Amino acid sequence: EAQVTQNPRYLITVTGKKLTVTCSQNMNHEYMSWYRQDPGLGLRQIYYSMNVEVTDKGDVPEGYKVSRKEKRNFPLILESPSPNQTSLYFCASSLTGRDTDTQYFGPGTRLTVL
Amino acid sequence: AQRVTQPEKLLSVFKGAPVELKCNYSYSGSPELFWYVQYSRQRLQLLLRHISRESIKGFTADLNKGETSFHLKKPFAQEEDSAMYYCALHLGGSGNTPLVFGKGTRLSVIA
Repeated sequence: EAQVTQNPRYLITVTGKKLTVTCSQNMNHEYMSWYRQDPGLGLRQIYYSMNVEVTDKGDVPEGYKVSRKEKRNFPLILESPSPNQTSLYFCASSLTGRDTDTQYFGPGTRLTVL
Repeated sequence: AQRVTQPEKLLSVFKGAPVELKCNYSYSGSPELFWYVQYSRQRLQLLLRHISRESIKGFTADLNKGETSFHLKKPFAQEEDSAMYYCALHLGGSGNTPLVFGKGTRLSVIA
């Protein structure tokens, strides 16, 4: 079954404690992306990756890092989380990132930073 | 700058009434537009895209380049249509560009 999986699904942490949210897809997609969803602001892109070892900033990259060492995985790293990073995070992937490709979204990770 | 505007945060309609979720965009090139839907406690999923000109779950959306709009319509709303709807713009071109999302409209269909 084609999937985009994220872990953990829920996380409560404290300010400054490094954390990683994993994202994995089994569809051999080249393009992967991270979004955050906040009330009244909708979905905003954090980082995206065209392919292995190729990453680029989205609209709101501050405070986040990503890596793409393997095609299937695209972890989101918060080196020093702050309360304004409390949000719902979605990972997405598509075949090539072109406009004709459907993006497949993961189930979301709800992060609370105290 | 490229922008997607969904002017309504919340839209409440009665079951059986027509629905129109508004979306306007600003982009000087040739856009590709999408509607995504998120039902309660489910993941975000693609509803429809303008290039396929299809009707999904009774919803349609027509790209109006003159008015730079891509409104989502359904003639008779159902309770199961209650969800969060996002309009998204993918900039044209051969390279990758990210999707630009609107802020979303919550549709509430009242029985």
